Amino acid sequence: DIQMTQSPASLSASVGETVTITCRASENIYSYLAWYQQKQGKSPQLLVYNAKTLAEGVPSRFSGSGSGTQFSLKINSLQPEDFGSYYCQHHYGTPYTFGGGTKLEIK
Amino acid sequence: EVLLQQSGPELVKPGASVKIPCKASGYTFTDYNMDWVKQSHGKSLEWIGDINPNNGGTIYNQKFKGKATLTVDKSSSTAYMELRSLTSEDTAVYYCARSDDYGSLAYWGQGTLVTVSA
Repeated sequence: DIQMTQSPASLSASVGETVTITCRASENIYSYLAWYQQKQGKSPQLLVYNAKTLAEGVPSRFSGSGSGTQFSLKINSLQPEDFGSYYCQHHYGTPYTFGGGTKLEIK
Repeated sequence: EVLLQQSGPELVKPGASVKIPCKASGYTFTDYNMDWVKQSHGKSLEWIGDINPNNGGTIYNQKFKGKATLTVDKSSSTAYMELRSLTSEDTAVYYCARSDDYGSLAYWGQGTLVTVSA
């Protein structure tokens, strides 16, 4: 199975800051990478798929990049509603696997 | 509006089985695969498998073969996941999620908490 490694595991930032979360795949997954946001007690929500395509309704302050084995999710000008957990997931064939998650907290 | 409606929390005894429904609305049920994902408390997400509602074809994560069985009822646009021989390791929130053409999961149910306890 393809292993997905996310970093950092946790991150503390202030409203207005820019943050970047990275995800590394154990083998080449081309651009088959998705990012999700999960708020406490809620279901995950798709932010980005195919590495850089924003899902419907996702604000433009979110952006995804990368290909092959290295990927990143950048959030510009953090807003209060952006705090929560973020997960990457490869969708290059089954079994899909997720990263361990990044918990983004308010500083 | 696409909605995936899951059932409420389940408390089940060790060794028992549970069947979780996921009722889909707002789209043509047979046009998209339905995936299932496990999230243990405070942990990340694990992909269990998916089912093609059109023909019932399934793909399972090897880890969940023998544990989970995915089925659908096209007449009611409902997907089901049955978990059997439950142990404390199966205590988790289970989500259904619609798989889009690329394999990402754009729509999720609200999750069903399954607690395995005597």
